[in-house]
Amino acid sequence: GESVGLHLPTLSVQEGDNSIINCAYSNSASDYFIWYKQESGKGPQFIIDIRSNMDKRQGQRVTVLLNKTVKHLSLQIAATQPGDSAVYFCARSGNTPLVFGKGTRLSVIA
Amino acid sequence: DAGVIQSPRHEVTEMGQEVTLRCKPISGHNSLFWYRQTMMRGLELLIYFNNNVPIDDSGMPEDRFSAKMPNASFSTLKIQPSEPRDSAVYFCASSLVGRGPSGNTIYFGEGSWLTVV
Repeated sequence: GESVGLHLPTLSVQEGDNSIINCAYSNSASDYFIWYKQESGKGPQFIIDIRSNMDKRQGQRVTVLLNKTVKHLSLQIAATQPGDSAVYFCARSGNTPLVFGKGTRLSVIA
Repeated sequence: DAGVIQSPRHEVTEMGQEVTLRCKPISGHNSLFWYRQTMMRGLELLIYFNNNVPIDDSGMPEDRFSAKMPNASFSTLKIQPSEPRDSAVYFCASSLVGRGPSGNTIYFGEGSWLTVV
């Protein structure tokens, strides 16, 4: 069935280190994956996306990796900063609107 | 550019009362979504519209919930009568989709924080 799941509900990272947030999905029909960041008291904000015909996409300090063989998606944040503290959601889109995972809370330790 | 605008930002109401949440999507967007967020269930899609037409309302919890989109710049989500278990953050989101609601970035509003006591 359609589902998007997360490996870890919380992640604590030292400031300056790299963060890796993982996500698994079960529906192979997904053609588009998106990462959102949600800060406390705010709505989810788009970070980066990747199409299913890609393996990797880079943005500013963020990289998304897609492994279709094992149906796994990851978000890598380089040189994590206090402002990166938030809940991160992976989402997939196919023929239906976005389906969101439960989210991973990233805490940055100064 | 103004993003998705939702009102009210916060509402506390008594059980049994009617609640109306409002949303103004981003100008030019043709798809609108209502999501509900709780700690237990995360982000759940309630209903979405494409070109003002409801496409899928299978996520609407029950008949107490209804949503309308009378024009391209306004939508409402109504709960009548409200119950304590409806307490959640309700997000409206919009996107510009060429054909169907897939494959395009969804932009979220700041949410309406509802507490039913």
